[in-house]
This record gives sequence, structure tokens and C-alpha cells, in this order.
Amino acid sequence: DIQMTQSPSSLSASVGDRVTITCRASQSISRYLNWYQHKPGKAPKVLMYAASKLESGVPSRFRGSGSGTDFTLTISSLQPEDFATYYCQQSYNMPYTFGQGTILEIK
Amino acid sequence: EVQLVESGGGLEQPGGSLRLSCAASGFTFNDFAMHWVRRGPGKGLEWVSGISWNSGNIGYADSVKGRFTISRDNAKKSLYLQMSSLRVEDTALYYCVKDTAAALSNWFDPWGQGTLVTVSS
Repeated sequence: DIQMTQSPSSLSASVGDRVTITCRASQSISRYLNWYQHKPGKAPKVLMYAASKLESGVPSRFRGSGSGTDFTLTISSLQPEDFATYYCQQSYNMPYTFGQGTILEIK
Repeated sequence: EVQLVESGGGLEQPGGSLRLSCAASGFTFNDFAMHWVRRGPGKGLEWVSGISWNSGNIGYADSVKGRFTISRDNAKKSLYLQMSSLRVEDTALYYCVKDTAAALSNWFDPWGQGTLVTVSS
């Protein structure tokens, strides 16, 4: 199985900050990497797919990059609604594993 | 509007069985693969199982293989998860999730609100 490792596990930041979350796969997954945002009491939603493609309706302050084994999600200027848990997920092959999550908290 | 409504969760004893259902609407159900994803208490998201549009390709997480069975009824626009030999560690909120293509190996969008499964004696 492909293991997905996210870092950091948690992050404190302020509105307006630029933050970066990294995700590493245990083997090459090409660009089969997706990012999800999960807020308490709500269903998770996709932010980025195929490593760098922005889902429709997602603000352009979110940016994804990477290929192979190393990927990043960058939020250029944090907004109050961005504080949530973020997960990477590989869709290269089954089982479709998620990273352990990064909790983004308000400083 | 796409809607995914899960049902069938509840309290079950270890070793017991439950059947989860997901009623889909707002899209052509038999054009898309579907998945179950769960989130245990204090844990992250875990992909549980996926099924292609025609049930020709099915996969399971190692943690549930041999105990859970995914199925779909395209005529009823419904997805199912038969869960047996339940363990305490199966306690989680179970999400029904739509794939973005007919085959597996894509991203998940959207997600239902989830149904809670609690396994406890």
C-alpha cells in the first residue's frame, strides 16, 4: 500500500499569512494527488485535484504543486474561513490512502 | 444539485453486522464510481471501499477486507456497505462519496453528511 505522510500535523497561523503543507508518498504516484478541506460538522470538500488543478469555486489563493512523491498545498493569504483540517489523498491505485491530516489553527 | 444521503448507522456489538445505504440524486448515478470513506474518533480520513460504475472493479482497505462488502443498485440509485464481524475500531462516521468518473482512480466530489457507526459492548 502507498503511505501518505503530511507535515506538519498542526499549524498555527494568522489571517493574511502564507502557509504551506507538504505531502510525501511512499512511492511515485505521478500527479494522482488530491487535497481536501474538512471543517467540523461539515462534509469534506475537494480543493485541488491532479496535484495542481483548482476545483471549480475554490479561491485562487489555494495552489497545489508537485509530482512523483513530493507535493505541496500553499494558501497565499489566509482567510478566516480557511481554518480547517487539510488532507492529501493519492488516487494512483487502491487502497486510496489519505495523509494523516494537517490541522490549521488560528494563532 | 447532487445529494448523497447515508442511512443505516447505529450502535452494534463487536462481532455484529450492519448495512449502510446511500441514496443518490441529482446526477446520473450509473455514470460514476462510488466510495465509502470513514473518520474514526480522533482520527483522520480513511478510504474504506470503492466500486466502479458497473461493479466491475471493486477495492477495499486492508483493515476491512474480508469483512465488508460494497455493492450498488443502479436502478435504485443506491450504494451499500455490508459490514460484518464488526470491531471496536470500526467506530466512525461513514461518508458516501461520489467519484468524478465511471472508473475508479479519480478524486472524490461531493461527500454526503455521513452516518455514524458505533461498535461497543
